[in-house]
Parts: sequence; structure tokens; C-alpha cells
Amino acid sequence: DVKVTQSSRYLVKRTGEKVFLECVQDMDHENMFWYRQDPGLGLRLIYFSYDVKMKEKGDIPEGYSVSREKKERFSLILESASTNQTSMYLCASSGSGTTNEKLFFGSGTQLSVL
Amino acid sequence: DQQVKQNSPSLSVQEGRISILNCDYTNSMFDYFLWYKKYPAEGPTFLISISSIKDKNEDGRFTVFLNKSAKHLSLHIVPSQPGDSAVYFCAASAGGTSYGKLTFGQGTILTVHP
Repeated sequence: DVKVTQSSRYLVKRTGEKVFLECVQDMDHENMFWYRQDPGLGLRLIYFSYDVKMKEKGDIPEGYSVSREKKERFSLILESASTNQTSMYLCASSGSGTTNEKLFFGSGTQLSVL
Repeated sequence: DQQVKQNSPSLSVQEGRISILNCDYTNSMFDYFLWYKKYPAEGPTFLISISSIKDKNEDGRFTVFLNKSAKHLSLHIVPSQPGDSAVYFCAASAGGTSYGKLTFGQGTILTVHP
């Protein structure tokens, strides 16, 4: 079974802090994604990566950056956390080719910014 | 601009009856559609998908119907079971070199009563 592991289940941070959310997948997948889930808005794509050191902006990249130094690891960085970044963050991965739309998700990190 | 919309925030059905979850999209470039299911405290999991060259796809109790002219898809669950109670997300992909990038709807909370 594919496993996508997010480093923290819950995080509480202060406004202005730099926040790192880590994600690791164990299936040698090329593609990795960061989404946030908010009530009434569904899942919105923040950033994705289709190869090591490659990254693309999603629909809501403002206030975020990402890092992918190794194939299995994809980090989401909040440069200066703000209260409107309080959300559930979901990491996902997928393989290449015809199955690349079948995403495998981690359990999520609930981030609260106070 | 919500390109994938699930207009029913919630749906309640009796065990054994049919559940019908609906989804509308606006982007004509979408050519692959998926449904994901999400339980509390877990990440979404892939349920069923359909390509735009088809109008129906079945997998056990789950059937997805696609009406391209109406830009509408639906998920039918027959018979519904209490374990089906979850949040259901509709998602769409533009294919090509999308790298598995999905656009999600807002989600519909399904409750199946025993």
C-alpha cells in the first residue's frame, strides 16, 4: 500500500512564525501536491511538484513556498504565518502516466495560527 | 471562480436506499473525473473515476455517470450502507501534461442512517 506520511497531525503557531510542514511518500511517485481543505471551499491546490527540484504554483500559492530536494519528500513552507492560513493541509502523491490522477493522500495536518 | 461545484453540502439517506451525489463543472478542458471519499481524521481516498470518452463507469455498489453536454456528473451508491457515511469530493483533471493536477469541488457530507 502507498503510504503518504505527514509529520504532524496538529500544529499551533503564532502569527509571523515560519512554519514547515513535511510530507514523505514511500512509493517512488514522481508527482507530489499540497492542498488545503476549508469548509465550504473543498480542497484547493497550493503547489505541486512533478520532479525533484521542480515546482509549479497551484491555485492559491500566495504566502507559501515549497521545497523538493529528494524524490520522496515535499515540504510546504509558510514564510510568515497569518491567521487566514489556519486550515487543514493535505499532502498527496501520484505516479506518472495514465494513473497520475489517482492521488494518494496523507492524513492531514490541522494548523492553527493564533 | 469555482470550476467544480457540488451544490449540495449534505445528503441524508436510509440504509439500503440509493444515494445520488451530484457535481457540475464549467471548464471544457476537463477530460477525466474522479470521486474521492474522506472519513474524519483521514485523508481522502480514491473511489471511482471516469474518462470523458465514457458516460458510465461501475465498480460494485458505485456507479459514476457523466453527461458532457450538461457538464454534469453524478455518483450513485446502491445500496447505501452506514459505512458509506463520509464526505465525498468530486474532482476533475485537464489531462495532457497536468501531472495529475486535480480541481476539487466543495464536498458533500453523506449520512446513511441504519
